Amino acid sequence: GQNIDQPTEMTATEGAIVQINCTYQTSGFNGLFWYQQHAGEAPTFLSYNVLDGLEEKGRFSSFLSRSKGYSYLLLKELQMKDSASYLCAVRDSNYQLIWGAGTKLIIKP
Amino acid sequence: DTAVSQTPKYLVTQMGNDKSIKCEQNLGHDTMYWYKQDSKKFLKIMFSYNNKELIINETVPNRFSPKSPDKAHLNLHINSLELGDSAVYFCASSPGLADSSYEQYFGPGTRLTVT
Repeated sequence: GQNIDQPTEMTATEGAIVQINCTYQTSGFNGLFWYQQHAGEAPTFLSYNVLDGLEEKGRFSSFLSRSKGYSYLLLKELQMKDSASYLCAVRDSNYQLIWGAGTKLIIKP
Repeated sequence: DTAVSQTPKYLVTQMGNDKSIKCEQNLGHDTMYWYKQDSKKFLKIMFSYNNKELIINETVPNRFSPKSPDKAHLNLHINSLELGDSAVYFCASSPGLADSSYEQYFGPGTRLTVT
């Protein structure tokens, strides 16, 4: 079956750095997405990786290793507004998005 | 100028009723989706339409019936509502299927509570 694994919850301190990991087992691979979802709101797109390596976008970076079925989202200079759930999703060989359950990130002052 | 809109935002109804949720996107996208997000926050695809044609129909009860009158609209009708249908339902759209980098744009969600 298809499976996406992420930690359920993480806690970090304002101003620090946090890395959220995602491992996947899917039938085929056509890209990996990270979305941010604040409580009570819709998911919003953060990043897309299809080739191995690091994609940097401001305070957020996303890394992919296809051979290991592994990705991480790196958040730097954490702000209180970064408190949210972070969803990892993989597009499989049928171009369908398979979603992880999300990682709830709690930022403490 | 909302990109993906859904109505209603909140829906409280009794078991056994029939209800509809409407979704519209003004992005010119070809593909639209319905997701269900339960209390554990797991986002589960229900249906996907591409150019008004059904392309994904996950294992959902046949009480759920999507309708796409045109490319910009994808409505969800639910018959004989059950307690387990309580969840947040998200509509989403993306430019199409040809490019795997296409991200999905989500509507604000409809919080359905069945009592």
